[in-house]
Amino acid sequence: NAGVTQTPKFQVLKTGQSMTLQCAQDMNHEYMSWYRQDPGMGLRLIHYSVGAGITDQGEVPNGYNVSRSTTEDFPLRLLSAAPSQTSVYFCASSRQGGGDGYTFGSGTRLTVV
Amino acid sequence: SQQGEEDPQALSIQEGENATMNCSYKTSINNLQWYRQNSGRGLVHLILIRSNEREKHSGRLRVTLDTSKKSSSLLITASRAADTASYFCATEGDSGYSTLTFGKGTMLLVSP
Repeated sequence: NAGVTQTPKFQVLKTGQSMTLQCAQDMNHEYMSWYRQDPGMGLRLIHYSVGAGITDQGEVPNGYNVSRSTTEDFPLRLLSAAPSQTSVYFCASSRQGGGDGYTFGSGTRLTVV
Repeated sequence: SQQGEEDPQALSIQEGENATMNCSYKTSINNLQWYRQNSGRGLVHLILIRSNEREKHSGRLRVTLDTSKKSSSLLITASRAADTASYFCATEGDSGYSTLTFGKGTMLLVSP
């Protein structure tokens, strides 16, 4: 079992560029989420999905898009990167009910210059 | 906005000592979870306590939950240097969809 796989691990973007952070899980979890982690801020929810075809906004959704066409994949798109989006991004998944907690990926460290 | 607030922000102890971290939250919850994050790594789920539970154990971990005070504590007994990490509490609300709201974490340093 690979768990939650995030790619890439590191990325440097120029302001205004777009990119997609990939997230895939092989546990057949219904719920998937994207968080960003900034120093001193803990983790903040960007977008989440409770199943294929269903997504919703979290606490800090501006500048990001998501889609969920399959149970396994939940990509996060940065539309026009800004320095304020420099952060570490984590994808997480859990089964419905969440009794086992969430499984997190290893993160993508993004720098926008 | 942040739901949980951990206390203390940082904790430094010697190997063999116990470490206690506290978490307060603001709204009604379905459950509260604790996670560990080693430097530069993803978060690892440690333990989940449901709103109708008061105490839970897992190995050297003991979690308590007081819903009347909206607070929880995580006790790590007989700490080891390998326990050095940041610890986060996260709450899952009781209003439908499952999302977690995290606190800012406690940095634990266990010295040999």
